[in-house]
Amino acid sequence: GAVVSQHPSWVICKSGTSVKIECRSLDFQATTMFWYRQFPKQSLMLMATSNEGSKATYEQGVEKDKFLINHASLTLSTLTVTSAHPEDSSFYICSAKRPPNSPLHFGNGTRLTVT
Amino acid sequence: KQEVTQIPAALSVPEGENLVLNCSFTDSAIYNLQWFRQDPGKGLTSLLLIQSSQREQTSGRLNASLDKSSGRSTLYIAASQPGDSATYLCAVGGNDMRFGAGTRLTVKP
Repeated sequence: GAVVSQHPSWVICKSGTSVKIECRSLDFQATTMFWYRQFPKQSLMLMATSNEGSKATYEQGVEKDKFLINHASLTLSTLTVTSAHPEDSSFYICSAKRPPNSPLHFGNGTRLTVT
Repeated sequence: KQEVTQIPAALSVPEGENLVLNCSFTDSAIYNLQWFRQDPGKGLTSLLLIQSSQREQTSGRLNASLDKSSGRSTLYIAASQPGDSATYLCAVGGNDMRFGAGTRLTVKP
């Protein structure tokens, strides 16, 4: 069964609004979770590493103020797309792993469409 | 910076054929390599995980190999079936994984 749950699976929002995506590890504690973004027919690009109890580490070129990450507990990380614009429309996927040296488990992703 | 390349980008084969997907990476200092399957519009399903100390892993009709020194991995699929049609992604690294662009596989009945 799924070990990482992501919600919602799809969302449509108007330009200028904010959207929150949740990622939960279901039966293990994840001190670190990862957020990826995938454009159509392209691979996954790591956006940021979410660290429980501390600030997220963002990849180069990813706007911290636009993509807010909060990892408030050992089983939950959230990604908030603030003031969304149509170019933010994409597939967002989170992942987590049980340490150490364990497979990376992915959520089912969130399809965001900004109109 | 780690770069991951997958060849071919797309592959179409008749049902029953054995096939090989290739993955190469530039930085051999990795903890593990993982192969995933992604169906259209869906998330990722982990297929095989190879630790850096291992050479290969097998699961059913799938066999993945890892050669760290040359920066290469292959995913072998035996007796392909239409249900194998999907995009196959390899990812390398440690805590944060870097992905290749994937190979889109179509198995024709």
